Amino acid sequence: DVKVTQSSRYLVKRTGEKVFLECVQDMDHENMFWYRQDPGLGLRLIYFSYDVKMKEKGDIPEGYSVSREKKERFSLILESASTNQTSMYLCASRRQGRSGNTIYFGEGSWLTVV
Amino acid sequence: AQTVTQSQPEMSVQEAETVTLSCTYDTSESDYYLFWYKQPPSRQMILVIRQEAYKQQNATENRFSVNFQKAAKSFSLKISDSQLGDAAMYFCAYRSGAETSGSRLTFGEGTQLTVNP
Repeated sequence: DVKVTQSSRYLVKRTGEKVFLECVQDMDHENMFWYRQDPGLGLRLIYFSYDVKMKEKGDIPEGYSVSREKKERFSLILESASTNQTSMYLCASRRQGRSGNTIYFGEGSWLTVV
Repeated sequence: AQTVTQSQPEMSVQEAETVTLSCTYDTSESDYYLFWYKQPPSRQMILVIRQEAYKQQNATENRFSVNFQKAAKSFSLKISDSQLGDAAMYFCAYRSGAETSGSRLTFGEGTQLTVNP
């Protein structure tokens, strides 16, 4: 089974702190994604990466950056956390190409910024 | 840009009955995929069903089926013989068939389904 692992399930950070959310997948997938989930808004795409060192902005990239130095790992970085970034963050991955239709999700990281 | 709309924030159904969740989308593309995902309280996203736009036949997976109306850009999910374990948040999602930069999933707002015993 494909596994997408988000290392931190629950985090509490202070305003202004630098926050790292880590995601690792074990199926050699080219594409990886970071989504943010908020009530009434569904899932919104923050950033995605279609290969190592490649990244593209999603719909809400402001206040976030990402890093993909290795194929299996995709990190989301909040340079200076703010209270409006309190949310649940979901990582996902898929194989490039039409055969890679299924996107696999991690279990989510709950971030509270106080 | 593609958009996905779920107009029912909450729905409820009696156990063993049938419920239909609505989804509409907007796109100018002809090649795309539509999905329904289930998110139980554990927050793990689970793929329920997938529909390829080029297929006219509606997808079916056991008690789950879709009504795909391409011209109307409508993609509803029907759950038959509802079970307590079906209670969850359901998300409709769209993905372009063009393999450009990873082909993101675009999600609707979600519908919270309650199943009453």
